[in-house]
Amino acid sequence: DIQMTQSPSSLSASVGDRVSISCRASQIITKYLNWYQQKPGKAPRLLIYAASSLPSGVPSRFSGSGSGTDFTLTISSLQPEDFGTYYCQQSYTTPRTFGQGTKVEIK
Amino acid sequence: EVQLVESGGGLVQPGGSLRLSCAASGFTFSTSWMTWVRQAPGKGLEWVADIKQDGSEEYYVDSVKGRFTISRDNAKNSLYLQMNSLRAEDTAVYYCVRDSRVEKLSPIKAFDYWGPGTLVTVSS
Repeated sequence: DIQMTQSPSSLSASVGDRVSISCRASQIITKYLNWYQQKPGKAPRLLIYAASSLPSGVPSRFSGSGSGTDFTLTISSLQPEDFGTYYCQQSYTTPRTFGQGTKVEIK
Repeated sequence: EVQLVESGGGLVQPGGSLRLSCAASGFTFSTSWMTWVRQAPGKGLEWVADIKQDGSEEYYVDSVKGRFTISRDNAKNSLYLQMNSLRAEDTAVYYCVRDSRVEKLSPIKAFDYWGPGTLVTVSS
């Protein structure tokens, strides 16, 4: 199975800060990498697909980069509504594994 | 508007069975891979199983193989998860999820729509 490792596990930042979350795959997955945002008590929401593409409706302050084994989710200017937990997930092969999550808190 | 609504969760004793259902609407169900993802209380997300458009292929996480069965009824726009021999570690919110090529010409798939989830509690 492909292991997905995120860092950090949690972070606290101020409104307006630039925030980055890393995700590393245990083997090459090219661009088969998606990011999800989950707020407490809610279902996850697709945030980034294919490493760097934004679905319609996702604010442009969110961006994704990377290829191969190393990926990054960046929030260019953190907003109050961006609190929650962020998960990376590989869609290269079954089982479709997730990272352990990164909890983002607003200072 | 795409909608996925799960039902069938509840409290069950260890060793018991439960069948989850998911009613889909707002898209062509019969052309979509469908997936179950679960989340134990306070934990992360875990892919459980998925099924091809026509039901001819199914895949499972190792921890549920032989105990869980995913199925679908395209005539009823419904997805199911039959869960047998339930264990305490199966306690989780179970999400019904659509698995799509978000861009039609790309081979890369993502879980683009999620239901609100249904809670399964396995406890005596």
